Amino acid sequence: ELKVEQNPLFLSMQEGKNYTIYCNYSTTSDRLYWYRQDPGKSLESLFVLLSNGAVKQEGRLMASLDTKARLSTLHITAAVHDLSATYFCAGDSNRDDKIIFGKGTRLHILP
Amino acid sequence: DSGVTQTPKHLITATGQRVTLRCSPRSGDLSVYWYQQSLDQGLQFLIQYYNGEERAKGNILERFSAQQFPDLHSELNLSSLELGDSALYFCASSVSSGMQYFGPGTRLTVL
Repeated sequence: ELKVEQNPLFLSMQEGKNYTIYCNYSTTSDRLYWYRQDPGKSLESLFVLLSNGAVKQEGRLMASLDTKARLSTLHITAAVHDLSATYFCAGDSNRDDKIIFGKGTRLHILP
Repeated sequence: DSGVTQTPKHLITATGQRVTLRCSPRSGDLSVYWYQQSLDQGLQFLIQYYNGEERAKGNILERFSAQQFPDLHSELNLSSLELGDSALYFCASSVSSGMQYFGPGTRLTVL
């Protein structure tokens, strides 16, 4: 069964710094998703990554997928306070299309 | 505003009862997903429908059932409720299996 592990689970960083959130998954996955959730709010889809080497960017966030390493990364460039949120990655199991989530990374950006 | 609506926003009920949560997808989206979010279990995928047919099933309990109607709205039925069913329930929609758009969620409290 697909397992998805995110790290770190909590990250506190200064504004202006760069950092990366890692998402490892255990078996082949058709799709890799990244979501953002603000406290008390619903989820917002950030990226869907479909193929090896896929890279997508939106503002200060960039996501990439390496299917051989079973690793996706979410890179934050020059962080700003507004990016403080919980970020989830999720994989879509090849075998049965179940979507499995990581535990989430709680990102706190200090002004 | 994602364009996905969910009703009700809040629901308080007693153990043993049955409730129905409703989701209207974005116009044109054929896929509907249901998710449960709780402190204990994190984010869990429950089920996906595509154009009225069940497409993928997650860790949905036998006491729970869902369907998607011809007008593409979906309902999630939760029966014989237990305290542990208290959670946020989100639905999301997408054109097929790509980027998902989430509704605001239904907060279920079982007393």
